[in-house]
Amino acid sequence: DAGVTQSPTHLIKTRGQHVTLRCSPISGHKSVSWYQQVLGQGPQFIFQYYEKEERGRGNFPDRFSARQFPNYSSELNVNALLLGDSALYLCASGQGPQETQYFGPGTRLLVL
Amino acid sequence: RKEVEQDPGPFNVPEGATVAFNCTYSNSASQSFFWYRQDCRKEPKLLMSVYSSGNEDGRFTAQLNRASQYISLLIRDSKLSDSATYLCVVNTISRSGGSYIPTFGRGTSLIVHP
Repeated sequence: DAGVTQSPTHLIKTRGQHVTLRCSPISGHKSVSWYQQVLGQGPQFIFQYYEKEERGRGNFPDRFSARQFPNYSSELNVNALLLGDSALYLCASGQGPQETQYFGPGTRLLVL
Repeated sequence: RKEVEQDPGPFNVPEGATVAFNCTYSNSASQSFFWYRQDCRKEPKLLMSVYSSGNEDGRFTAQLNRASQYISLLIRDSKLSDSATYLCVVNTISRSGGSYIPTFGRGTSLIVHP
């Protein structure tokens, strides 16, 4: 079975632009979470979605938004990019919001 | 005080050594706990869940001490392939009560040398 997939793998943007990152969960998983990981730190929780509803939100500004589609895939949107948004963005899926999460390979975003 | 704290290391040990990591958490209402392993420039991979009664998987043993609010990971007979960053995760119920908020530690770097 395929694991969590994310696209694109790498992305370069300039300040002020917006970006959309995509995630497809493991087949049968209905929960998707998004994380931001900067070098030398652990992943920081951004959002969790379950059954297309937001179930949890981390301490990120409103420039960050997400949604989950009927097929349980998800998008993370970031508006008005800042240099500090440069990071690895990880998506994780699970069978439910409290279940074990499995991570995708991530999208590396560089903001210039 | 950070919600979840880990010693970043690195822990530099020879093959065959036993090494232990701790992870402390500040919220006594935390509900569930995990250890993940992350290789350089890769995604985190689940190593094991952590239960109050302790659990073992081969060379790896995880323990939870709720009274002192820490979890631990013990690796016996270290292999070169154990070199990685070990991340602890603490899940705490959200203020609304509708979900868990996962908080990762910054990770502990382990280097196993020949």
